[in-house]
Amino acid sequence: DGGITQSPKYLFRKEGQNVTLSCEQNLNHDAMYWYRQDPGQGLRLIYYSQIVNDFQKGDIAEGYSVSREKKESFPLTVTSAQKNPTAFYLCASGWRGGSDTQYFGPGTRLTVL
Amino acid sequence: SQQGEEDPQALSIQEGENATMNCSYKTSINNLQWYRQNSGRGLVHLILIRSNEREKHSGRLRVTLDTSKKSSSLLITASRAADTASYFCATDFTGGGNKLTFGTGTQLKVEL
Repeated sequence: DGGITQSPKYLFRKEGQNVTLSCEQNLNHDAMYWYRQDPGQGLRLIYYSQIVNDFQKGDIAEGYSVSREKKESFPLTVTSAQKNPTAFYLCASGWRGGSDTQYFGPGTRLTVL
Repeated sequence: SQQGEEDPQALSIQEGENATMNCSYKTSINNLQWYRQNSGRGLVHLILIRSNEREKHSGRLRVTLDTSKKSSSLLITASRAADTASYFCATDFTGGGNKLTFGTGTQLKVEL
């Protein structure tokens, strides 16, 4: 069953704690992306990776970090430096660097208390 | 600022009617895509139109692209209650580094 998975679906953390969101794909895609979505808003790009062991900052990278050690996995860490981390986080993957279709995971809703 | 801006922000229609939503962008693009998002879920790709194309169809969906006006429209014909969702345009703009920029979306509600 091919697809892109994110876990957990809901995540609660105390202010000041780092938290890591998981994103896994078995579509053999080279490119992976992390987006943030706030209520009633569009998606904003946090980080993206077009190949293993390489990634680039998106429009709102401050307070976030990523790694791309495996083609299948692109975890996102929300650090304590992120001023307003409560949001819906979406991971996506694609065949090439963003110019073609992106396939999205179901999202993780992070609430920082 | 975000590349694409959808209009209207929200749209409410009756089942069976057509729904039209528009997307405007600011700089030249390689392609433009439309995605759908059900509440609290991930996005689903609907259709991609390249800069040298003017119109594409997929089932009940029709997308047009006018590069001279830097705008696109998505038409959903014979709408159904199941079409209720948010619809986003996303642009791969020239020189943008092979990534998509999403608009703010149109919330469509189709009532029975």
